[in-house]
Amino acid sequence: KQEVTQIPAALSVPEGENLVLNCSFTDSAIYNLQWFRQDPGKGLTSLLLIQSSQREQTSGRLNASLDKSSGRSTLYIAASQPGDSATYLCAASNSNSGYALNFGKGTSLLVTP
Amino acid sequence: DTGVSQDPRHKITKRGQNVTFRCDPISEHNRLYWYRQTLGQGPEFLTYFQNEAQLEKSRLLSDRFSAERPKGSFSTLEIQRTEQGDSAMYLCASSFTLGTNGANVLTFGAGSRLTVL
Repeated sequence: KQEVTQIPAALSVPEGENLVLNCSFTDSAIYNLQWFRQDPGKGLTSLLLIQSSQREQTSGRLNASLDKSSGRSTLYIAASQPGDSATYLCAASNSNSGYALNFGKGTSLLVTP
Repeated sequence: DTGVSQDPRHKITKRGQNVTFRCDPISEHNRLYWYRQTLGQGPEFLTYFQNEAQLEKSRLLSDRFSAERPKGSFSTLEIQRTEQGDSAMYLCASSFTLGTNGANVLTFGAGSRLTVL
């Protein structure tokens, strides 16, 4: 079964800082990897999806990378803002598990003004 | 279309009662997923449908759980004889995916929170 780990579990940074969230997965034969944002008590919002053939995806201030050989993905947030405060979840899907997304526990991010 | 809708948003029930959650996906989406999330954890996959066919079920989905998507549109998740361990947020998501390929971007609903007393 694909195991997904996210480090750190929590992170607090001052506004304006650039930051990196880490995600590692045990089975490198992934189909794709997705990053989500979750606000307290709410559902998940998809941020970026990286197919297994891709190395990175960018959307605005967000950049996600994928290194299948090392089993790692990173989410880079540039010029952080208080509105970025949320839990960020990484999820990997594998063709041998019916493409179900396997999630990490998330990184809780607090950006202070 | 306003996205994925889930109802009810919050359900409190006593142990042993049955509960049913409903999910209305984005209308043009052919895949529908159910996940369960407990506090401090990431969502755990329960099951998914492609149109009306249930294609995958997790071992987490015990025989007290049943999911249906009768006409390939909305879906229901029923939990019979609820236990305190069933307390969680039940999340529904949908996507448009061709054939048997892996999913594209999933759109999640706000979730249905279950509290079993």
